[in-house]
Amino acid sequence: EAGVVQSPRYKIIEKKQPVAFWCNPISGHNTLYWYRQNLGQGPELLIRYENEEAVDDSQLPKDRFSAERLKGVDSTLKIQPAELGDSAVYLCASSLPDRYGYTFGSGTRLTVV
Amino acid sequence: GENVEQHPSTLSVQEGDSAVIKCTYSDSASNYFPWYKQELGKGPQLIIDIRSNVGEKKDQRIAVTLNKTAKHFSLHITETQPEDSAVYFCAACRWGYSSASKIIFGSGTRLSIRP
Repeated sequence: EAGVVQSPRYKIIEKKQPVAFWCNPISGHNTLYWYRQNLGQGPELLIRYENEEAVDDSQLPKDRFSAERLKGVDSTLKIQPAELGDSAVYLCASSLPDRYGYTFGSGTRLTVV
Repeated sequence: GENVEQHPSTLSVQEGDSAVIKCTYSDSASNYFPWYKQELGKGPQLIIDIRSNVGEKKDQRIAVTLNKTAKHFSLHITETQPEDSAVYFCAACRWGYSSASKIIFGSGTRLSIRP
């Protein structure tokens, strides 16, 4: 089966510009996660979806970050406007509700200059 | 909420020797403990996991142990090979609780295998 697909792989933008990341989860996985991984650290959860509903967005900086998961499949994470401190790898993961663990995509490496 | 601490942050071992990475967690309700391996430029990949009703699990050269009383768990890699070089993350989770099924990661261990 195809894994979790993310695009783009890399993105370089100037501060104050908007940016968006896209994720296509594994087919049939109705739980989707966005994580942020700063350099040299473990991933930290930003938001979790069950189908199209955001069930945990407590860690999402809502002043500049937004996410959506239309039709409970693909998801988009947006930052507007981007700040220098947003430079990180943004990881998407998906899982089945009755199976342990989840699968990560390769991530999008964002550099804000 | 859950807090996972991992050590060491870096580990260098001779090829063929064993490597051990240790983690502690704070939430006594955590019941699922996965370990992920992350290679350069890739997302974390699940390599082994253990549930709280099991004390030890082994898969070829990799084994995990769990001490629920002490809230410790460890990853053991035997007969290390060059391809084991990567960053390893431990994690903990209250899996199955619909409001809390999020995996909390440790800070990672960079493992280097010396030829």
